[in-house]
Amino acid sequence: EVQLVESGGGLVQPGRSLRVSCAASGFTFDDYAMHWVRHTPGKGLEWVSGISWNSDSTGYADSVRGRFTISRDNAKNSLYLQMNSLRVEDTALYYCAKSQQQLVRAGALDIWGQGTMVTVSS
Amino acid sequence: SYELTQPLSVSVALGQTARITCGGDNIETKNVHWYQQKPGQAPVLVIYRDSNRPSGIPERFSGSNSGNTATLTISRAQAGDEADYYCQVWDSSTVFGGGTKLTVL
Repeated sequence: EVQLVESGGGLVQPGRSLRVSCAASGFTFDDYAMHWVRHTPGKGLEWVSGISWNSDSTGYADSVRGRFTISRDNAKNSLYLQMNSLRVEDTALYYCAKSQQQLVRAGALDIWGQGTMVTVSS
Repeated sequence: SYELTQPLSVSVALGQTARITCGGDNIETKNVHWYQQKPGQAPVLVIYRDSNRPSGIPERFSGSNSGNTATLTISRAQAGDEADYYCQVWDSSTVFGGGTKLTVL
């Protein structure tokens, strides 16, 4: 079964850091680009970051560039998002999603995890 | 940055056809993807590259893209189609539309 399982979310104070993870199974992880997308009730879906199949290329939304870092470990079939200098407005449900293609700038997102909740509050 | 405009809500009578639009500058030059998200669930890809259906998505779902508007069409709407629908493109970054809430009356 093709599956993505996120973990690592929680409650964190503004300005602090958090790392969320995504474990993939049921497909050849290193054949595809991977992405993080977040959802809030008021704003809907917002793309956060993406990484190519071999980590050569990454992309970030303007709202997180310089604060968040995406990475992957193909040997462990895992995707990560390191979030630093967190803000209240980063509060959201964070989804890990698989691209249909190898490159960050191509392909629809055809497999999604169930998400991990990140709450930034003092 | 590129913007995608969707209506906040669309209503359709049971069994009729719903059309959800996604507006963007010269969007016909881009590949448009559509996602369905039901409350408490992860998004599901329903249309990719303008008009292609992933396996398992009913033929009732179709897509088109022309000029400045892409359209998701849901024929013979069912109660189970009630959800939020998002369009998405790539333009120097991945961009989502604001989402449209579909209500089946």
